[in-house]
Amino acid sequence: DAGVIQSPRHEVTEMGQEVTLRCKPISGHNSLFWYRQTMMRGLELLIYFNNNVPIDDSGMPEDRFSAKMPNASFSTLKIQPSEPRDSAVYFCASSPGQAGANVLTFGAGSRLTVL
Amino acid sequence: DAKTTQPNSMESNEEEPVHLPCNHSTISGTDYIHWYRQLPSQGPEYVIHGLTSNVNNRMASLAIAEDRKSSTLILHRATLRDAAVYYCIAFRTSGSARQLTFGSGTQLTVLP
Repeated sequence: DAGVIQSPRHEVTEMGQEVTLRCKPISGHNSLFWYRQTMMRGLELLIYFNNNVPIDDSGMPEDRFSAKMPNASFSTLKIQPSEPRDSAVYFCASSPGQAGANVLTFGAGSRLTVL
Repeated sequence: DAKTTQPNSMESNEEEPVHLPCNHSTISGTDYIHWYRQLPSQGPEYVIHGLTSNVNNRMASLAIAEDRKSSTLILHRATLRDAAVYYCIAFRTSGSARQLTFGSGTQLTVLP
């Protein structure tokens, strides 16, 4: 299995631009998680899906952030408009079921720099 | 939410055992204790998890206190490749986003 695949690996953009991060979970996994990692806040959960349905998006920082999961094999995290404080590494993870008894497999991350 | 507390950093000598502690005094009966580690410039990777009984796998052992308010990750022989940030998390099925957020973890340094 190729694992959780994220793209792009690196993105540099200017303030105000739209950013779209993509994630392909492991085939057969029905839970998907978006995390953001910064030095100040550590590794915080933004949103997670179960069977393509958003379960909890209370970690999404503000309305500029949105996430979708149109099917079981693809998810996007969009930031519009982007701001310098959004600079971080964004990780996607998937799990064969809801977290707890099931473990998370993380992707390699997307490093975002907003100038 | 079952918050976890870990030391910020620990050091170990190569080829010696390492015991990484974690406190989770507010854990509930349905929370699983997970350990992940993150090597530099990589995503977190799963190490081990358990509910009540001690667990062993090829990477490590997990010792869970009888009252489940603490646990210890045991690396039996540390290698330089084990230098990483180790996260302890109490995961509950259908947990909230805040409950599924990782803490700051323990930075393990392995000395040659």
